[in-house]
Amino acid sequence: GEDVEQSLFLSVREGDSSVINCTYTDSSSTYLYWYKQEPGAGLQLLTYIFSNMDMKQDQRLTVLLNKKDKHLSLRIADTQTGDSAIYFCAETLSNTGTASKLTFGTGTRLQVTL
Amino acid sequence: GAGVSQSPSNKVTEKGKDVELRCDPISGHTALYWYRQRLGQGLEFLIYFQGNSAPDKSGLPSDRFSAERTGESVSTLTIQRTQQEDSAVYLCASSLRVRATTRSNEQFFGPGTRLTVL
Repeated sequence: GEDVEQSLFLSVREGDSSVINCTYTDSSSTYLYWYKQEPGAGLQLLTYIFSNMDMKQDQRLTVLLNKKDKHLSLRIADTQTGDSAIYFCAETLSNTGTASKLTFGTGTRLQVTL
Repeated sequence: GAGVSQSPSNKVTEKGKDVELRCDPISGHTALYWYRQRLGQGLEFLIYFQGNSAPDKSGLPSDRFSAERTGESVSTLTIQRTQQEDSAVYLCASSLRVRATTRSNEQFFGPGTRLTVL
C-alpha cells in the first residue's frame, strides 16, 4: 500500500539547520521528492532523489534516503525566514517507466524564528 | 504560457450546485494531473491524463467527480451536486512524458482553485 507520513510541525531559529523527516511504506518507489508550499501559492519542487541513491546535495539542501528503513529526510542548512513554508515529501511508483501520479505526505510546517 | 494556470482562483457555491474548474497546462506537457488538498492536509490524487491513453481515474472519490481533457491542452474538472466535504483547494499539475527510469517526472503545479461549498 501507499502511505507517506511526516511530522506536522517544526520550529527552528534563523541560521540553524532544519531537518524534516518522512517515512513511506511502498518499497517500489522509484523517485522521492520534496515540495515547498508557501501561503497562497502552488507547490514548488525543491529537489528529488532517485531510489538507487543514498544522498543528494543541492546548495543548502541535502536529501538523505534510507531504503532499508523507508526513511527520507530533507536538511536545510542556514535556515532563513524565507524558508518558512509547508514541506511535502512525495513518492512516485513509476514501475512502467512512464509518468505517474504522486503520493504526498501530510506536510510539515516549518516555522523559522529570529 | 510560462506555467500552469487555473481558473477560477476562488469559487464559492451552494450545496447541490455543479461546478467546473479549469486547468491550462504548460505547452508541450503531455501529462496532466488533478489533486485535491483539504484544509491542513496533504494532496490527494484524483485523476491523471497521459496523451491519448485512457485516464487513470482511480483517485476520484465518487461518481459526482469527472474530468475531461481536450487533446494535450485544457482540462476541466467537474463536480456535480457539490457537498460541503468537497470544499478544498483543487490543484492541477502537468509534466513531460519521460521515462521515469532515466529522468525524474517533475510535475509543475498551478496555483489551485479554492472551492468553498456553503
